[in-house]
Amino acid sequence: ELKVEQNPLFLSMQEGKNYTIYCNYSTTSDRLYWYRQDPGKSLESLFVLLSNGAVKQEGRLMASLDTKARLSTLHITAAVHDLSATYFCAVATRTDSWGKLQFGAGTQVVVTP
Amino acid sequence: DGGITQSPKYLFRKEGQNVTLSCEQNLNHDAMYWYRQDPGQGLRLIYYSQIVNDFQKGDIAEGYSVSREKKESFPLTVTSAQKNPTAFYLCASSMGQGGMNTEAFFGQGTRLTVV
Repeated sequence: ELKVEQNPLFLSMQEGKNYTIYCNYSTTSDRLYWYRQDPGKSLESLFVLLSNGAVKQEGRLMASLDTKARLSTLHITAAVHDLSATYFCAVATRTDSWGKLQFGAGTQVVVTP
Repeated sequence: DGGITQSPKYLFRKEGQNVTLSCEQNLNHDAMYWYRQDPGQGLRLIYYSQIVNDFQKGDIAEGYSVSREKKESFPLTVTSAQKNPTAFYLCASSMGQGGMNTEAFFGQGTRLTVV
């Protein structure tokens, strides 16, 4: 059974500092996703990482995938208040539809001045 | 615009009632999914369908039922057998297997509350 573990589950950030969220998964996977969720809202897709160890960046967020270690990281550079949200990683497997995902528990991020 | 529409946004259910959540997509996606989210937790898969007239159970299918009579529609019924249905329900769709950058797209969700 595929298991996805995120840590930390809660992250209090100071504006301007750098932080990393970790996502470990238990079996081989073809792709990994990062999503953002604001309170009461749906999921917003941030990154799609394929099994070739891609690194992607968008603004202050950078995601990477180490398929050998079965580890993905979401790095936040110079945190700002607008990044306060819950971040989820999710893993898909080759034999299933790409929307059949195993989610981590989420990391609640609060950015304070 | 193409997208996934869930309705209603909020739904209240009395004890012992069945309720149906609607999910429609105009993205021409083959596959559709239903997820449940409880407070402070990740999403868990209820049911999914890769083609019309076929669907499979996910991790938490008990107390739920679905149908897939049309490619565009994948309604979820929460039956009275679901003892703790209060949650946020998200519908998603994707192109199914294949494709390098395929990903799932999510609707805006339905918040179901038992009263």
